[in-house]
Amino acid sequence: DSGVTQTPKHLITATGQRVTLRCSPRSGDLSVYWYQQSLDQGLQFLIQYYNGEERAKGNILERFSAQQFPDLHSELNLSSLELGDSALYFCASTAGWGTQNTGELFFGEGSRLTVL
Amino acid sequence: AQSVSQHNHHVILSEAASLELGCNYSYGGTVNLFWYVQYPGQHLQLLLKYFSGDPLVKGIKGFEAEFIKSKFSFNLRKPSVQWSDTAEYFCAVKYPYNFNKFYFGSGTKLNVKP
Repeated sequence: DSGVTQTPKHLITATGQRVTLRCSPRSGDLSVYWYQQSLDQGLQFLIQYYNGEERAKGNILERFSAQQFPDLHSELNLSSLELGDSALYFCASTAGWGTQNTGELFFGEGSRLTVL
Repeated sequence: AQSVSQHNHHVILSEAASLELGCNYSYGGTVNLFWYVQYPGQHLQLLLKYFSGDPLVKGIKGFEAEFIKSKFSFNLRKPSVQWSDTAEYFCAVKYPYNFNKFYFGSGTKLNVKP
């Protein structure tokens, strides 16, 4: 158990719909990262937050948005869903910043999204 | 652009064979390096990491990796693989002075035949 919690574990929805994926980082971790893993694209970095502020953006579509709340949990919102959005969405967290950071990312078990 | 390359996408080995998975990164500044493993149906777990010091790092389950700065490489090795090593392996690079950005390679699927 990494200490990172993601909900829901599985989600099936239809094209055009909107879903929200939730992530609770490890206790005390300030940084949250979101990744998308699909069969043909590998592990793609979406977005990173640190203590409520967006720090880096990767290959995140405009239909997707995210935020990190004051209690440090994060939500990834996916809207106008398409078949190609079917994937495993991972959240990861890490502690501290800069030289205080112990280094590695701790991953949650992922949310598997199926768009029909 | 900063990137991570894993040269082998799919590797098939027999038990007891030796393993080496290649990883190269593009940026020449300060980096931290990682190997993660993802067993079927599970999340990514850390195998080993390099921050500084001895460039040969040892991880869990008999894995090790060598950081060669001049080659921008961080190859993963195991002298003798087991069937239970069947998994996908990801190399990752962190840029500690660039907002701790993490980049992952495309992954290598290892299939160990019993």
